[in-house]
Amino acid sequence: EVQLLESGGGLAQPGGSLRLSCEASGFTFSNHAMSWVRQAPGKGLEWVSGVSNSDGSTNYADSVKGRFTISRENSKNTLYLQMNSLKAEDTAVYYCVKGGWGNYYDYWGQGTLVTVSS
Amino acid sequence: QAVVTQEPSLTVSPGGTVTLTCGSSTGAVTGGHYTHWFQQKPGQAPRTLIHDTSNKHSWTPARFSGSLLGGKAALTLSGAQPEDEAEYYCLLSYSGVWVFGGGTKLTVL
Repeated sequence: EVQLLESGGGLAQPGGSLRLSCEASGFTFSNHAMSWVRQAPGKGLEWVSGVSNSDGSTNYADSVKGRFTISRENSKNTLYLQMNSLKAEDTAVYYCVKGGWGNYYDYWGQGTLVTVSS
Repeated sequence: QAVVTQEPSLTVSPGGTVTLTCGSSTGAVTGGHYTHWFQQKPGQAPRTLIHDTSNKHSWTPARFSGSLLGGKAALTLSGAQPEDEAEYYCLLSYSGVWVFGGGTKLTVL
């Protein structure tokens, strides 16, 4: 059974940083691209970033480019999202999603809430 | 960044058929956009229904189908059930950068 377990969410101050993690199980993590998607309270879904399985290539939405960094550690079956220079508009539930970069999207985690507020 | 458009809301009768569409500000949606469709119910994580325009996952009910229609991507629900009431999102790829539509709230009434 595929499982994606996000962690690391919480309260951060504007201008601060947080690092999200997503621990994957039930599939060969190193063989699949992975992505982050977020959803602000009461709003729609927004694709944030993706990382390939092959060479670690990355892509970002314009709204987070230069502030967020996606990475993966295949030996630990874990995906990360380093979020710097946080803004109030980054407040959202962040979902880890299996897929992207030429792989189709299939499984979603349950999400972790990030709140940016002073 | 491209803008992806969906109907804000649609209503379908139980047992009826409804088509949700997904358009792109850059022109016609094609197979190269690798269209995905997701279903989200209140308080739950999204669930993937369709990938690569028309391919279903093992858990996707047979009453859902995906296609290209008149320059847009389309999700057709044939034989709507009460449990299909949800928000539906499409997702398009633009050379590796993905953009979601704003979502369609589907009411089964």
